[in-house]
This record gives sequence, C-alpha cells and structure tokens, in this order.
Amino acid sequence: QKEVEQDPGPLSVPEGAIVSLNCTYSNSAFQYFMWYRQYSRKGPELLMYTYSSGNKEDGRFTAQVDKSSKYISLFIRDSQPSDSATYLCAMTSTGANNLFFGTGTRLTIIP
Amino acid sequence: GAVVSQHPSWVICKSGTSVKIECRSLDFQATTMFWYRQFPKQSLMLMATSNEGSKATYEQGVEKDKFLINHASLTLSTLTVTSAHPEDSSFYICSARNSLLYPGANVLTFGAGSRLTVL
Repeated sequence: QKEVEQDPGPLSVPEGAIVSLNCTYSNSAFQYFMWYRQYSRKGPELLMYTYSSGNKEDGRFTAQVDKSSKYISLFIRDSQPSDSATYLCAMTSTGANNLFFGTGTRLTIIP
Repeated sequence: GAVVSQHPSWVICKSGTSVKIECRSLDFQATTMFWYRQFPKQSLMLMATSNEGSKATYEQGVEKDKFLINHASLTLSTLTVTSAHPEDSSFYICSARNSLLYPGANVLTFGAGSRLTVL
C-alpha cells in the first residue's frame, strides 16, 4: 500500500464550480500536510500548509485535514481557468527528512 | 520570502556529455536541499538529499556516480548529470526547506525545474 493515495484524474469542471480534491494516507504519524499546485513544465508551488487536524482558508482555497480518517481535502471555490493545473498533496511527520507525495490530480477548468 | 532559483530551466546536450544544474535559495539559508526527478504526467521522485558541507544521501536505485551532488554553501546545491544518455532526459526539480518561514516543519519550496533533453 502506498503511503499517500491520490486520484490522478483527470478532473474537468466548468468555470465557477467548487472543486474538491482529496488524498488519503496510511501513516498516522503524519502531522504536516501540504497542497502544491504545479503548472505544466514548472516546479510545484506551495498553496496551503496545515499542521495536524482542522481547516485552513486562504482566499478561494480551503484545506481540511481529518486525521481520524487519514483524509485530507482541498476545496477551490469559484474556480477559474487559471486554476487548471496538477494539484499534489504532500505530507510528513515531525523530524522526518522527506515529504510523501500523492501522484497529483490533473484539473481542468472549462471556461 | 522562500524563493528557490534553479538554472538552467532547459538544456539540450549530446549523449556522453555532462550537465550541471544549479539550485539557489535566494532569500534564506538552506542546510538541506532535495533533488527530485519527474517524468511526464507522473509525480515527483526523490533522488537525493543534499546536505551543506557533507555528502549527499541518495535514494535507493539512484546512481551516485551518475548524479553528482555538491552542496558547498548554505545557498547553493548543484546536480551534475555525468555522461548523460537519452534515458536521463527528464524534468529535474530542486527544493529547500525554509526553517525560518516554517520552523520545525518539513515544508519545501521548489525551484522552477530544469528540463534536460539528451540527444
């Protein structure tokens, strides 16, 4: 079983829709959870960072962590064509040297 | 803050030659940098962890002699692909952990990536 599971998509939604992206994980020691956005032929860009359980909101983006279910989500409200990218979840534990990445979900927002 | 600069962004070389990719942390010091490789439509694969002033730690299956890593200062790590072959063609991305911005957390800031094409 992989440490982190993420549906690779592709996912296509119309402009203005709410997008829900999800990852599950198996390691209960994970404490730090991140969402990265990667445009084609570019490096990943940190979107959201959450420590432990709970919600975090930044503009149109909301990150949720449910440690009891080992499930994290990223919601994008009022989606825009510029949100079209691959979204990678990543997570790690305290003191760990490496991040564990999901495979990434390719998202397309249709104008 | 937390900017990682990577150069070159795109390089084409002939088979058998060596290529060096630089990774710089512009506004913070990075004692640890990470080198990833990414194939089309796939996720990131960690190649090695670069530690300032000491030898890099390579992941299983990554050839140390093929992918030379040097982390000579707190702001610069280099990856040299030696005797490159077409199968080394890939997207190489470096990252650094910014302890000032995210103390105690392993949150990485990535460079823009370097696309290597070996003919």
